[in-house]
Amino acid sequence: QGQLQESGPGLVKPSETLSLTCTVSGGSVSSGSYYWSWIRQPPGKGLEWIGKIYYSGSTNYNPSLKSRVTISVDTSKNQFSLKLNSVTAADTAIYYCARGLSGSYMQIDYWGQGTLVTVSS
Amino acid sequence: DIQMTQSPSSLSASVGDRVTITCRASQSISNYLNWYQQKPGKAPKLLISGSSSLQSGVPSRFSGSGSGTDFTLTISSLQFEDFATYYCQQGYSHTWTFGQGTKVEIK
Repeated sequence: QGQLQESGPGLVKPSETLSLTCTVSGGSVSSGSYYWSWIRQPPGKGLEWIGKIYYSGSTNYNPSLKSRVTISVDTSKNQFSLKLNSVTAADTAIYYCARGLSGSYMQIDYWGQGTLVTVSS
Repeated sequence: DIQMTQSPSSLSASVGDRVTITCRASQSISNYLNWYQQKPGKAPKLLISGSSSLQSGVPSRFSGSGSGTDFTLTISSLQFEDFATYYCQQGYSHTWTFGQGTKVEIK
């Protein structure tokens, strides 16, 4: 039974860097069975995939965000993290961390509860 | 990157109705297509993986089909708890994408 929990500031100033961490329990970020992903949802809008990381450190990013995004993994803490730089109001959203199944259909079987990040001065 | 287009964007239906939502990929994704249900204020929930495999605990009134570029999510007899927004997601390419969502509302 996997559990994921996002943490980080709920308010970020324009042009600064948004930083979030996802703490994983009930599973290991070192496992080759999973991808660890970030997804966001602007208020009242649909889901946008941000990127994912494999235990090896291999990453893939949404091409529209690629120049501003970094996802990393900390196996010692069983966490993975998101950094999004040069944020604007358009980056205001609920940010979810999630677990995807590798070796399957890349379905996302566990999600964090989500954390609202507002970009405002 | 692969674009996912859902239709309709929203629909109104009554309890007991049969509901069909479609998802089209901009290129073939084999059967690497997953469906999620999201209720207000909650994280999405996985309903179907691999186009047609129902997840454990998901009612059998939900079904999925399709392969290649065209996929369908069907709710055979809509229940009150099914009013929600549904998203498709492709896992075929290294960069995943979601459809824009279909909101199922009460008629």
